[in-house]
Amino acid sequence: DADVTQTPRNRITKTGKRIMLECSQTKGHDRMYWYRQDPGLGLRLIYYSFDVKDINKGEISDGYSVSRQAQAKFSLSLESAIPNQTALYFCATSDSRTSGGITDTQYFGPGTRLTVL
Amino acid sequence: GQNIDQPTEMTATEGAIVQINCTYQTSGFNGLFWYQQHAGEAPTFLSYNVLDGLEEKGRFSSFLSRSKGYSYLLLKELQMKDSASYLCAVRRGSARQLTFGSGTQLTVLP
Repeated sequence: DADVTQTPRNRITKTGKRIMLECSQTKGHDRMYWYRQDPGLGLRLIYYSFDVKDINKGEISDGYSVSRQAQAKFSLSLESAIPNQTALYFCATSDSRTSGGITDTQYFGPGTRLTVL
Repeated sequence: GQNIDQPTEMTATEGAIVQINCTYQTSGFNGLFWYQQHAGEAPTFLSYNVLDGLEEKGRFSSFLSRSKGYSYLLLKELQMKDSASYLCAVRRGSARQLTFGSGTQLTVLP
């Protein structure tokens, strides 16, 4: 079974609709992240959470909100979707504890392809 | 600044060696990661450098020069399955956020 799962994997919606993307992890990591990826622009950070009570805005948080329901779950909401939010969305997790000399390596879920018409 | 620069595209032949360069602004540097991403799939972790020098992992090696703000990923004995996008990501400061470059699309030809 995958360590980081995202649902749905694909979604087509209309402008103005509310959308929620969900992320779950079984890695036991304390930190979780939401990114979007657009062609030619790389991965850009939307929100991140270092624990259940800690939520932080990333580079492009406008138009998005998040909820960390438990250590293993982090959801991303688009309150009123618009076409320029069409993108590939990735959830990632990391462990703040050092392992093998490396801290906070991020591991990504399979992605959600969102299309807003 | 957050600028991370890497070539947009590279092409190489099966069995050859290819070097993918990444330059970044050095302020607050706290580690550099390389990820591989096949089309439509999740990025997967390849390597991490925080000190100067070369880290080797099988066919893949990554080099870092902190003073020059420069890293490269070296892929040896290229295989067709190495055709993918390679993402350079820099971690800065105590917040440990990653900033990603736009990626280098590598095409391996037979």
